[in-house]
Amino acid sequence: NAGVTQTPKFRVLKTGQSMTLLCAQDMNHEYMYWYRQDPGMGLRLIHYSVGEGTTAKGEVPDGYNVSRLKKQNFLLGLESAAPSQTSVYFCASSFRDRGMNTEAFFGQGTRLTVV
Amino acid sequence: GQQVMQIPQYQHVQEGEDFTTYCNSSTTLSNIQWYKQRPGGHPVFLIQLVKSGEVKKQKRLTFQFGEAKKNSSLHITATQTTDVGTYFCAGSQGAQKLVFGQGTRLTINP
Repeated sequence: NAGVTQTPKFRVLKTGQSMTLLCAQDMNHEYMYWYRQDPGMGLRLIHYSVGEGTTAKGEVPDGYNVSRLKKQNFLLGLESAAPSQTSVYFCASSFRDRGMNTEAFFGQGTRLTVV
Repeated sequence: GQQVMQIPQYQHVQEGEDFTTYCNSSTTLSNIQWYKQRPGGHPVFLIQLVKSGEVKKQKRLTFQFGEAKKNSSLHITATQTTDVGTYFCAGSQGAQKLVFGQGTRLTINP
């Protein structure tokens, strides 16, 4: 049982390049999230999904797109990377139990640097 | 929309001192969760509280959920260097998305 797996773990991009971060979970969770965490800061929600085929914007969605074509995968895309997107990106998943959103499991994080 | 505020943002203590972080929601929550993130790591689930006025303990950690289900606290008794990290609360309303607080970073002077 791998839990939540993020790939890649590290990446350096040049300004204007594009990339996709992959998050995969093997726990059959309904909810999936993408967060960014800047040094010394908290978690800021980029996009999230409450089920396969559905996505919604979080508090900092600009410059990012997401897709959830399969329940186990949640992809985060950067179409044209900017230095302001240098951050650590965390994916998380959680499940619904008795009508409540419960324990979130986080991936190990992707450290992205845009130069 | 739902907001979860956490204070303080930073706390530095001497080893052996107690530590408390507080979490306040703008709306009534169905549940509150607490997470710990070690430096360089990812957030890890500690506990979930569901009932009004609930108190749970994990060794030196005590978690409380307010009577109105809008606030919560985490108290660590006699901190140790292994307690270093950032503590996050997260709440949700029913099946809606989890909303995280900004976290409290705890540093400890040995």
